[in-house]
Amino acid sequence: DAMVIQNPRYQVTQFGKPVTLSCSQTLNHNVMYWYQQKSSQAPKLLFHYYDKDFNNEADTPDNFQSRRPNTSFCFLDIRSPGLGDAAMYLCATSKRTGALYNEQFFGPGTRLTVL
Amino acid sequence: AQSVTQLDSQVPVFEEAPVELRCNYSSSVSVYLFWYVQYPNQGLQLLLKYLSGSTLVKGINGFEAEFNKSQTSFHLRKPSVHISDTAEYFCAVKLYSGGSNYKLTFGKGTLLTVNP
Repeated sequence: DAMVIQNPRYQVTQFGKPVTLSCSQTLNHNVMYWYQQKSSQAPKLLFHYYDKDFNNEADTPDNFQSRRPNTSFCFLDIRSPGLGDAAMYLCATSKRTGALYNEQFFGPGTRLTVL
Repeated sequence: AQSVTQLDSQVPVFEEAPVELRCNYSSSVSVYLFWYVQYPNQGLQLLLKYLSGSTLVKGINGFEAEFNKSQTSFHLRKPSVHISDTAEYFCAVKLYSGGSNYKLTFGKGTLLTVNP
């Protein structure tokens, strides 16, 4: 089945230690998104790629970076995690054709703990 | 600017009872509206969407929603809930974010708890 896969599902890191979260998709979608969801809150968009074009949200801290080496993979890098970065990180994809907006498909998420 | 308001943060109901989860949006332009469900420690799953056409939208798991332009609402309903419907429900609206970019703006979520 076509899907969005996130690895790992649970990640523990230490304060200040760089961490990378991975997302892959078999849907061949041209848009990939990263969201941060803190406990009991709505998902908050960090950035997205439309093909190779990177689009950062204005309020996303510089501590968060992303890479998309090919259509299938997208990575979220947190350069120096702080305690406030502990959250669920959701990857999503969508297929954008011109001005037509299609729904986003979400992965299961990676829960990040910062010690 | 567009925003989404989910009026109830928690909705407890008994099994087999009907339920309505409320969502209001603010926008002066045409909108695309969505309801997503999130089970514990999982990603979001699309329940249904309104893009255009019929204002009554049917989704998965027996849910439906009605787009009401005059009241700027998109309430989610189910006539008879099951224990397995216990989850967080998010209403979302497509937001034009400049250039050729769009993004989803989510409401704060409603926790539906179905009790036996």
